[in-house]
Amino acid sequence: NAGVMQNPRHLVRRRGQEARLRCSPMKGHSHVYWYRQLPEEGLKFMVYLQKENIIDESGMPKERFSAEFPKEGPSILRIQQVVRGDSAAYFCASSPTKVRGDTQYFGPGTRLTVL
Amino acid sequence: GESVGLHLPTLSVQEGDNSIINCAYSNSASDYFIWYKQESGKGPQFIIDIRSNMDKRQGQRVTVLLNKTVKHLSLQIAATQPGDSAVYFCAENGANQAGTALIFGKGTTLSVSS
Repeated sequence: NAGVMQNPRHLVRRRGQEARLRCSPMKGHSHVYWYRQLPEEGLKFMVYLQKENIIDESGMPKERFSAEFPKEGPSILRIQQVVRGDSAAYFCASSPTKVRGDTQYFGPGTRLTVL
Repeated sequence: GESVGLHLPTLSVQEGDNSIINCAYSNSASDYFIWYKQESGKGPQFIIDIRSNMDKRQGQRVTVLLNKTVKHLSLQIAATQPGDSAVYFCAENGANQAGTALIFGKGTTLSVSS
C-alpha cells in the first residue's frame, strides 16, 4: 500500500538550468497538489491538478513554473531557468476526491538546491 | 492576508507528560482543519483532522479541540514520547470555494526529553 512517491529526493541544479520534479499519487487518488516549503517555514500551496487538468494554480509563480498531470504517468512540476531563491523543499500531496475538506496525504518531498 | 498561525514556535516537555500545541486561525470560512507532524527530512504526516461541525475529536493518544468562537485549534498529545519530537503544523482549508488549497501555519517544534 504505497504512499505518495516523489523523485528525486534531492536535486542540485546550477542557476539557469531546469528542474523537473515528479510525483506519483497514492493508489486510487486522482487529485494532486504541490506545495513549497522554505527553511523554517510552513508549506505554501502552489497548484492543484487532476488528470490532464490544472484546477487551481493560484499559488504558482507566473513565470518559469509549470505543472502537469498527464493521463499516464506521474505529475511533473517543472521549474525553468532556476534561481537561488527556488531552493526549497517541494512536496506533493494527493487525495481520493475533490470534496471540500478531503484529507491530503503528503510524499517525502524533493529538496532542490540551486547553486 | 488571512493565515493560520501557531502561538509558540517551540515546546519542550518531559517524556510521559501531556503536550498541548495551539493554533489560531483567522479565516472564519474555514470548515476543515488538519494537524500534521513533520520529522526532519520527511514530508508532513497526517495526525488527525476535525470539521467545523465538531468541537472535539480523539485519536490514538491525540485529541484535537476546535473553538470556533475564538478561532482556536489545539492538539493534545497524551503521554508524550521521544518519538513525538517533530514540527507540528495546523492547516485549514480557507475561504477558497473548492477548499482544495490547505493553508499552513509556521509550525511548533516539539522537543521531548527522556
